[in-house]
Amino acid sequence: QKEVEQDPGPLSVPEGAIVSLNCTYSNSAFQYFMWYRQYSRKGPELLMYTYSSGNKEDGRFTAQVDKSSKYISLFIRDSQPSDSATYLCAMSRTSGNTPLVFGKGTRLSVIA
Amino acid sequence: GAVVSQHPSWVICKSGTSVKIECRSLDFQATTMFWYRQFPKQSLMLMATSNEGSKATYEQGVEKDKFLINHASLTLSTLTVTSAHPEDSSFYICSARLVLVNTEAFFGQGTRLTVV
Repeated sequence: QKEVEQDPGPLSVPEGAIVSLNCTYSNSAFQYFMWYRQYSRKGPELLMYTYSSGNKEDGRFTAQVDKSSKYISLFIRDSQPSDSATYLCAMSRTSGNTPLVFGKGTRLSVIA
Repeated sequence: GAVVSQHPSWVICKSGTSVKIECRSLDFQATTMFWYRQFPKQSLMLMATSNEGSKATYEQGVEKDKFLINHASLTLSTLTVTSAHPEDSSFYICSARLVLVNTEAFFGQGTRLTVV
């Protein structure tokens, strides 16, 4: 079993839809959880950062972490064509100088 | 957020030559940087952890003599692909994590290397 599982998609939704992206993980020691957005041929851009369990909202984006289920989610409200990208979940056990463990990424297309 | 600058954004080189990629943290000091490789439609694959003032730590299967990493200062790490071959063609990305309360990682823009 891989440490982080993420459905690669592709996921296609109409403009204005609510998008739900998810990752599961196996390592209960993970404490830091992040979502990145990556456009084609660009470096990943940090969208959301969460420590431990709970919800975090930033504009149209909401991140949820359920450590008991080892499950994290990213919701995008009122999706826009500009949201079309690959979304990567990432997590780590400790803070600071350790690399993140990434999911495979989910390709999202928002159709106008 | 913090800024990580990577240069060049793309490079084409002849087989057998070497290519150097630079990764700079512009507004913070990064004692550790990470180098990733990404194939089309694939996720990021960690190649190595670059430590300022010491040797890099390479992931299993990554040739340290082929992918030379130097982290000479707190704001600069370089990756040199030596004796490049077409199979080295890929997207290379660096990142750095803030060693603060928030520990998210910030990424460079990536470098697309094409070896012909």
